[in-house]
Amino acid sequence: DTGVSQNPRHKITKRGQNVTFRCDPISEHNRLYWYRQTLGQGPEFLTYFQNEAQLEKSRLLSDRFSAERPKGSFSTLEIQRTEQGDSAMYLCASSLSSGTYEQYFGPGTRLTVT
Amino acid sequence: DAKTTQPPSMDCAEGRAANLPCNHSTISGNEYVYWYRQIHSQGPQYIIHGLKNNETNEMASLIITEDRKSSTLILPHATLRDTAVYYCIVRPFAAGTYKYIFGTGTRLKVLA
Repeated sequence: DTGVSQNPRHKITKRGQNVTFRCDPISEHNRLYWYRQTLGQGPEFLTYFQNEAQLEKSRLLSDRFSAERPKGSFSTLEIQRTEQGDSAMYLCASSLSSGTYEQYFGPGTRLTVT
Repeated sequence: DAKTTQPPSMDCAEGRAANLPCNHSTISGNEYVYWYRQIHSQGPQYIIHGLKNNETNEMASLIITEDRKSSTLILPHATLRDTAVYYCIVRPFAAGTYKYIFGTGTRLKVLA
């Protein structure tokens, strides 16, 4: 399967702990996006990369959140000092930087903070 | 805020066409219409997109009105596996504006 992959698929953590998620985009895609989705809502944009450069960040991305894409391939999203409000599905998507840029999403990582 | 309005829910009989409307009355000339669907607990799945002409692929057809203020996604022969939340998104085809802004979508239930 050559789609977007995310690991882990599920993560349960205690409040105050740090967590890190990984996203592997479709191999030829140089754009990578992170979204967050809470129950009953559509996904909300967090940030996006073109190659290794982080070009846009949402106001939702507080100081406790950091995302990297060090070699322009996979990306990581870290949440420090997790709070119960961070419980959500974290979605990664990727796209080409030409054409009409449709994004292809991974299966998501579901985070539960207890 | 999302630039689209969709009905919160719809039902469709299995084997019949499902017609999902979307209103995007403030759409600009350089904005495309994209449709995605999300089956429970999975990531959104790309369906189709268009600018002003009607489009068809193996999954669905997209009909955009002449004034581009609304569109309809058509699933020609709905199956139980088409039960999902369907999102209509408009996004400019211009440099520097690549993020999607999702609304709450339409929850389609296909009935046996």
